[in-house]
Amino acid sequence: QSVLTQPPSASGTPGQRVTISCSGSSSNIGSNTLSWYQQLPGTAPKLLIYRNNERPSGVPDRFSGSKSGTSASLAISGLQSEDEADYYCAAWGDTMNGPIFGGGTKLTVL
Amino acid sequence: EVQLVQSGAEVKKPGESLKISCKGSGYSFTSYWIGWVRQMPGKGLEWMGVIYPADSDIRYSPSFQGRVTISADKSISTAYLQWSSLKASDTAMYYCARQSVAGLYFDFWGRGTLVTVSS
Repeated sequence: QSVLTQPPSASGTPGQRVTISCSGSSSNIGSNTLSWYQQLPGTAPKLLIYRNNERPSGVPDRFSGSKSGTSASLAISGLQSEDEADYYCAAWGDTMNGPIFGGGTKLTVL
Repeated sequence: EVQLVQSGAEVKKPGESLKISCKGSGYSFTSYWIGWVRQMPGKGLEWMGVIYPADSDIRYSPSFQGRVTISADKSISTAYLQWSSLKASDTAMYYCARQSVAGLYFDFWGRGTLVTVSS
């Protein structure tokens, strides 16, 4: 069971807006920035959001991140079939020298 | 173009040793931490540890300390992950990833090395 809690699944129809939550504590999300990773089926994870709400070059602005206190969320607007993937949040823990990952959310596009 | 090229899939028996690699290119290899992440079949991501190739400073996750060894050869821009005695429970995909300069996220990932341990 991960220290960062994500819903195991989420779904939406094409064009819809979906959000994925990530809940932690004051020793991880509450004191460090959050990142999000997208893992398409059979591929390596890819950085989607960093520093809570910044997008790397090439990531569509349909993807956005936010953080408040010890929780964060990833929003995907204008949902597309190619967005079907696993999504992971991650935050550095105060007692760790590396990231704590959430358990992942499998997004299904209906 | 930043690339992390990982070594190929491995099939090993319990008790055997193994060393997998991750070669960086397209950037200054010694200027970024390289991390290793495990993904067991059908499961999520787990951070294992990181190494700073310039001086081989290594940090391990408490969950993996003593179970694996991380190293690097900066002369060939390659990081390594090794086991001295594999167990069936080590069966997983292993990813290397470059840690950003700011340090708090992984900005580039390798394609992964699948390790299968079976008698």
